[in-house]
Amino acid sequence: GAVVSQHPSRVICKSGTSVKIECRSLDFQATTMFWYRQFPKQSLMLMATSNEGSKATYEQGVEKDKFLINHASLTLSTLTVTSAHPEDSSFYICSARGQITDTQYFGPGTRLTVL
Amino acid sequence: RKEVEQDPGPFNVPEGATVAFNCTYSNSASQSFFWYRQDCRKEPKLLMSVYSSGNEDGRFTAQLNRASQYISLLIRDSKLSDSATYLCVAGGGGYNKLIFGAGTRLAVHP
Repeated sequence: GAVVSQHPSRVICKSGTSVKIECRSLDFQATTMFWYRQFPKQSLMLMATSNEGSKATYEQGVEKDKFLINHASLTLSTLTVTSAHPEDSSFYICSARGQITDTQYFGPGTRLTVL
Repeated sequence: RKEVEQDPGPFNVPEGATVAFNCTYSNSASQSFFWYRQDCRKEPKLLMSVYSSGNEDGRFTAQLNRASQYISLLIRDSKLSDSATYLCVAGGGGYNKLIFGAGTRLAVHP
């Protein structure tokens, strides 16, 4: 099956620093990648959708200047949380969709803790 | 109103039981539907897609009722390993984004 990796799996950082999370599709080309955030005991919330080579589309209420998304190739998308604050602490999950199917395959997630 | 609504549970059932989860979605334009399974502190994993004609995969049966905007998942002969949170998902809209329900928690006990 399709494999999506995420790195790092866990990060702890100080308030005010920036954190970059990578999402890679390992065995297929992902035309579209999605970034989600999940707070404890809550649903996954879509933050943004990115298509290779174009600007990401952000969901309402998600600050594009704070959550920078780059989708430079068909196998890699990055999410940078700029000037992180404790309220940004969450589980960030990416997913990737191939060219043919609607199915999204999820990465293992990155648990971010901002002190 | 949430776009995808599910009963949060938890559903506590003994091994071998049959359990059913229901879900409703509000966007009549949604075109694809899925059930995902999420274990504690892990990413969601696709359990099965849901088709209009209904579909079955081993012990799991999914049904879709477009008129009522209702999706169901039936699990037969529950196993301890079925304990997880089951996420109802509706797709559609731009870029085929997925809208997740908050999940229904299932706990299967011996």
